[in-house]
Amino acid sequence: DADVTQTPRNRITKTGKRIMLECSQTKGHDRMYWYRQDPGLGLRLIYYSFDVKDINKGEISDGYSVSRQAQAKFSLSLESAIPNQTALYFCATSDIPGLAGGSDTQYFGPGTRLTVL
Amino acid sequence: GQQVMQIPQYQHVQEGEDFTTYCNSSTTLSNIQWYKQRPGGHPVFLIQLVKSGEVKKQKRLTFQFGEAKKNSSLHITATQTTDVGTYFCAGRSTGGSYIPTFGRGTSLIVHP
Repeated sequence: DADVTQTPRNRITKTGKRIMLECSQTKGHDRMYWYRQDPGLGLRLIYYSFDVKDINKGEISDGYSVSRQAQAKFSLSLESAIPNQTALYFCATSDIPGLAGGSDTQYFGPGTRLTVL
Repeated sequence: GQQVMQIPQYQHVQEGEDFTTYCNSSTTLSNIQWYKQRPGGHPVFLIQLVKSGEVKKQKRLTFQFGEAKKNSSLHITATQTTDVGTYFCAGRSTGGSYIPTFGRGTSLIVHP
């Protein structure tokens, strides 16, 4: 089984709808991230969480919110989807660098392709 | 804030030719990581460089970290069709945030 899973894998929705993307991990990592990928723009950080009680905005958090329900679960919500939120969304996890040999290597989920019409 | 610039954005090569992608950071880095994303896939970690001037090899791939720890390169010798994909660098600044910043990636297209 994959260490980092994302649901759904594909979603088509309409402008104004509320959407939730979910991410689960079995790696036991404290740190989790949400990225957005658009052609030519690379991976842009939306939100990140260092532990269950810690939530931080990334580079492009406007229009998004997150919830860290447990160490293993980190969900991303679009409260009112708009067409320019059409993109590929990745969840990632990492260990704590330097702690007991941990590394900040990021492990990505398979991605969710979201289309907002 | 920290910026990581990666060039070129795209590179077309004939199979057997070499390929290089470059990353430059606006700040000194504590480490730099490289990832590969196959078409339709997700980024997968390749390697991490930590030391000034460090060079690491993985078969036909050579990774370098600059002496000033502000730039890095990935060189592929004699490309194969299996090398197709987008290569990303991700650098973590020495101060402030512990979040790595990704470059925009270089998409490698290998023509048989």
